[in-house]
Amino acid sequence: ELKVEQNPLFLSMQEGKNYTIYCNYSTTSDRLYWYRQDPGKSLESLFVLLSNGAVKQEGRLMASLDTKARLSTLHITAAVHDLSATYFCAVDPLEYGNKLVFGAGTILRVKS
Amino acid sequence: DGGITQSPKYLFRKEGQNVTLSCEQNLNHDAMYWYRQDPGQGLRLIYYSQIVNDFQKGDIAEGYSVSREKKESFPLTVTSAQKNPTAFYLCASSRARSSYEQYFGPGTRLTVT
Repeated sequence: ELKVEQNPLFLSMQEGKNYTIYCNYSTTSDRLYWYRQDPGKSLESLFVLLSNGAVKQEGRLMASLDTKARLSTLHITAAVHDLSATYFCAVDPLEYGNKLVFGAGTILRVKS
Repeated sequence: DGGITQSPKYLFRKEGQNVTLSCEQNLNHDAMYWYRQDPGQGLRLIYYSQIVNDFQKGDIAEGYSVSREKKESFPLTVTSAQKNPTAFYLCASSRARSSYEQYFGPGTRLTVT
């Protein structure tokens, strides 16, 4: 069974601090996506990682993909309150066609 | 503006009634998807369609049905056979080939009492 595991599932951090969210997956894939969800809202695409070693940055967020380790990270630099949301990683497993398998999500709360 | 619309935003139904959720996209995407999200959980795939007049079951298809008669439309029917239908339902679309990200609609929150 394909598994996508995120940790931590809940993260409370102070403004200005750095932290990393991890996404491990159990199958072969070189395509991974990060989404953000605000409470009661839909999912917003953050990053699309399509190859081993891919690194993308947008503002205070940086995502990377290591397909050999089956690991993606979402690094938060100098957190601000506006980053409070739930972050999901999703894996596109090669043998499943065009389907995504989502992690459970990481709830991030940034305290001022 | 291109995008995905879902209606209604909130839906209330009595147990035993079928209900249909609407999903329309004008992105000219070939593939469309339906997901269910329960509180504090990730998304689970209900059905997906990669081409008109064809669709496949996802991981939790029991109690749901879909149709894909037009490229831009992918309605989801929650039948009375779905034992726990109260949830947040999200529709998404993408280009048909994998490696293309999925774009999500605003969602429909269904409450069945």
